[in-house]
Amino acid sequence: DAGVIQSPRHEVTEMGQEVTLRCKPISGHNSLFWYRQTMMRGLELLIYFNNNVPIDDSGMPEDRFSAKMPNASFSTLKIQPSEPRDSAVYFCASSDRGLETQYFGPGTRLLVL
Amino acid sequence: ELKVEQNPLFLSMQEGKNYTIYCNYSTTSDRLYWYRQDPGKSLESLFVLLSNGAVKQEGRLMASLDTKARLSTLHITAAVHDLSATYFCAVDMTGGGADGLTFGKGTHLIIQP
Repeated sequence: DAGVIQSPRHEVTEMGQEVTLRCKPISGHNSLFWYRQTMMRGLELLIYFNNNVPIDDSGMPEDRFSAKMPNASFSTLKIQPSEPRDSAVYFCASSDRGLETQYFGPGTRLLVL
Repeated sequence: ELKVEQNPLFLSMQEGKNYTIYCNYSTTSDRLYWYRQDPGKSLESLFVLLSNGAVKQEGRLMASLDTKARLSTLHITAAVHDLSATYFCAVDMTGGGADGLTFGKGTHLIIQP
């Protein structure tokens, strides 16, 4: 099992540019979560999906952030336009709903200049 | 709003010693998670505690859950250097197992030879 796959692993961009982060959950898992980690705010839940349906996006900081899950094996988190304060590590996690822990991907380190 | 508090936030200890990390949370939940994070790495699941009185052990780490007191502990026995990491506790927002997690700020543990 390859685990949760995220791409890119590192992203450096300039303020105002669009950033798209990608996630492939573990096969068979039906819940997918996006988290953000910063020194100041720690680990925060941004949004999560059950069976490809967004359940709670209250953690999405602004309208500049959007997330989609078009099918069970792929999700994107988009930031448009990006700002320096969006610099963080973005983690995707997946779980087999109700039974197991959440398994985290390697993360995407985003730096917005 | 669910709050999760860990203490201590920083712990430096010597090999061979015992210590306990505490995790308090502010709402009723029967599901609590412990994760480990090494510097620059992702989160690794350690334990999932699913009911009041649950106790799980893996090597030198033992976790317990008291849902009435809204308290979980992570006990380290005879610490070794390899256990140096940041440890997070997290609570499932609704206790149902399919929802996003609220994390504590983490306990940065350094074990000195």
